[in-house]
Amino acid sequence: GENVEQHPSTLSVQEGDSAVIKCTYSDSASNYFPWYKQELGKRPQLIIDIRSNVGEKKDQRIAVTLNKTAKHFSLHITETQPEDSAVYFCAASMGSGNTGKLIFGQGTTLQVKP
Amino acid sequence: SQTIHQWPATLVQPVGSPLSLECTVEGTSNPNLYWYRQAAGRGLQLLFYSVGIGQISSEVPQNLSASRPQDRQFILSSKKLLLSDSGFYLCAWSGGFTGARGQPQHFGDGTRLSIL
Repeated sequence: GENVEQHPSTLSVQEGDSAVIKCTYSDSASNYFPWYKQELGKRPQLIIDIRSNVGEKKDQRIAVTLNKTAKHFSLHITETQPEDSAVYFCAASMGSGNTGKLIFGQGTTLQVKP
Repeated sequence: SQTIHQWPATLVQPVGSPLSLECTVEGTSNPNLYWYRQAAGRGLQLLFYSVGIGQISSEVPQNLSASRPQDRQFILSSKKLLLSDSGFYLCAWSGGFTGARGQPQHFGDGTRLSIL
């Protein structure tokens, strides 16, 4: 079945450094790729998303890139801050039907050291 | 604007007891609705989704069930809870009638369920 692989599972960076999280999807019909941030004990929150007709999208310190040919997409966080510490999930839309289902990656725990 | 409400926030139940978790969405019509479970330190497991009233699809065989009695109401139930049912339960919604065009899902605050 369809799946999304996410790497790394944990990532530790110094404050001010950049962080990159990578995902690979299997469903060639996927056309929507959101990223969620989940702080400890809280709900996942959408932080950025990208559609298949766009190669890159940026919002302040975060950016997402998409390579449809290779079925890869990545989250880039620049100038990391301690408040960026959280679990990050990538996801890809299920290509068929109108269910709105998303396939989630396994998550990356990001730790930003002050 | 759209909002999603989930309750209760925390719940402690004995093994073998029933369960009912409720989720409601405001500010939108005919949303797609989802129930997820998240074990401690783990990812999101889709349990059920619904594209309309009375329409429920199950993703994982288990002793849980879901119902959608009204357009913006989604209920997760169990007749007899197991220890393995412990976890963080999240309800989410997305826009309906989107065809094959992907849409974001928006999550509620979740219910932390502990089974004793």
